[in-house]
Amino acid sequence: QSVLTQPPSVSGAPGQRVTISCTGSSSNIGAGYDVHWYQQLPGTAPKLLIYGDTNRPSGVPDRFSGSKSGTSASLAITGLQAEDEADYYCHSYDSSLRNFVFGTGTKVTSL
Amino acid sequence: QVQLVQSGAEVKKPGASVKVSCKVSGYTPSELSMHWVRQADGKGLEWMGGFDPEDGETIYAQKLQGRVTMTEDTSTNTAYMELSSLRAEDTAIYFCVTGLYCSGTSCPGNYWGQGTLVTVSS
Repeated sequence: QSVLTQPPSVSGAPGQRVTISCTGSSSNIGAGYDVHWYQQLPGTAPKLLIYGDTNRPSGVPDRFSGSKSGTSASLAITGLQAEDEADYYCHSYDSSLRNFVFGTGTKVTSL
Repeated sequence: QVQLVQSGAEVKKPGASVKVSCKVSGYTPSELSMHWVRQADGKGLEWMGGFDPEDGETIYAQKLQGRVTMTEDTSTNTAYMELSSLRAEDTAIYFCVTGLYCSGTSCPGNYWGQGTLVTVSS
């Protein structure tokens, strides 16, 4: 049972904007620890999408953006494309557990 | 550029141990903070442990404490993850993952191994 909660699934029409929430607590996101986001296509290793709450690694399209407020973080996909269908995970550090933690994961579907 | 190449699939009996390797190229393991993540079939990602460059220690997930050991061999640029007292629920794909800008509380994983399937079955 993860300490970072995500919706199991989100969907949208091509071109639409979808957002994925990652809800934590005062011992992880709310304590200011960095949030990172990963995209995992079927049968492949995860790929870093957003690091340090809002930053995109080189090569990641600018339709992906991250934000953080209070005890939650969000990943937005602006202009959803069919190739964005994948599982998405948030990742942070928890000071109570003294462990890194992943979110529960969200499956994104393009309608 | 960092490349991580993992060892092949393993089948183990309950109670046995497994040791998965992760060959590093482009950097030496000691220059990186190596972490390990696993994923059971159809399930989410689970962080297993990793190196804290600020304390100089390896920290392990609480639920795996006492069963998991992460080491590195600098002579072969290889990192290892050993899991003992295997149970059916340890059946998963195991990934090594690292980044160039890790701290004790933040380690964005830029580089991932291809994954190693470990099956625990009698």
